[in-house]
Amino acid sequence: AQRVTQPEKLLSVFKGAPVELKCNYSYSGSPELFWYVQYSRQRLQLLLRHISRESIKGFTADLNKGETSFHLKKPFAQEEDSAMYYCALISGSRLTFGEGTQLTVNP
Amino acid sequence: GAGVSQTPSNKVTEKGKYVELRCDPISGHTALYWYRQSLGQGPEFLIYFQGTGAADDSGLPNDRFFAVRPEGSVSTLKIQRTERGDSAVYLCASSLTGGAGGYTFGSGTRLTVV
Repeated sequence: AQRVTQPEKLLSVFKGAPVELKCNYSYSGSPELFWYVQYSRQRLQLLLRHISRESIKGFTADLNKGETSFHLKKPFAQEEDSAMYYCALISGSRLTFGEGTQLTVNP
Repeated sequence: GAGVSQTPSNKVTEKGKYVELRCDPISGHTALYWYRQSLGQGPEFLIYFQGTGAADDSGLPNDRFFAVRPEGSVSTLKIQRTERGDSAVYLCASSLTGGAGGYTFGSGTRLTVV
């Protein structure tokens, strides 16, 4: 069965510092992974997906099949990045989410 | 509509009562999903509809939970004999055909069983 692990429930950084939100997965197949974000008082929304290999709001994530990881990175964090971040893996049409990491960017 | 609409936004019910949660997906989206999010956890899959039929209901925790989508648009999640452990945020999402890249989530219904 697939599983997504986000080892950090809370992560706090200062504005302008680099940030990395960790995500590890287990899946017996070729994974398709996503990062979702939930800003305060807003609904869950897609941030990026690995197959697009895109950068959204300065965030990137690279799939590392050897380490079964899909860490989310941003070189210079902004206060508006403070939010809950969920890593997710899709199998069929169902998403399996990690428990989430609450990122706080301090001024 | 412009987005996925869920009603009510909050529901408080007594243990043992029956509740219905409604989801109105984006017009034209054939795929509809229900997830449940308990405090401090990520969303957990409950059921997936493609059109009117439940394509995957393997996430429903037990037979107290049931969902319908009779006309391929609005869906209702029904919970019988509610228990305190059912307290959670119930999320609905829809997508044009299926696949997580196109998911749009609703803002959820917060269910509290007292």
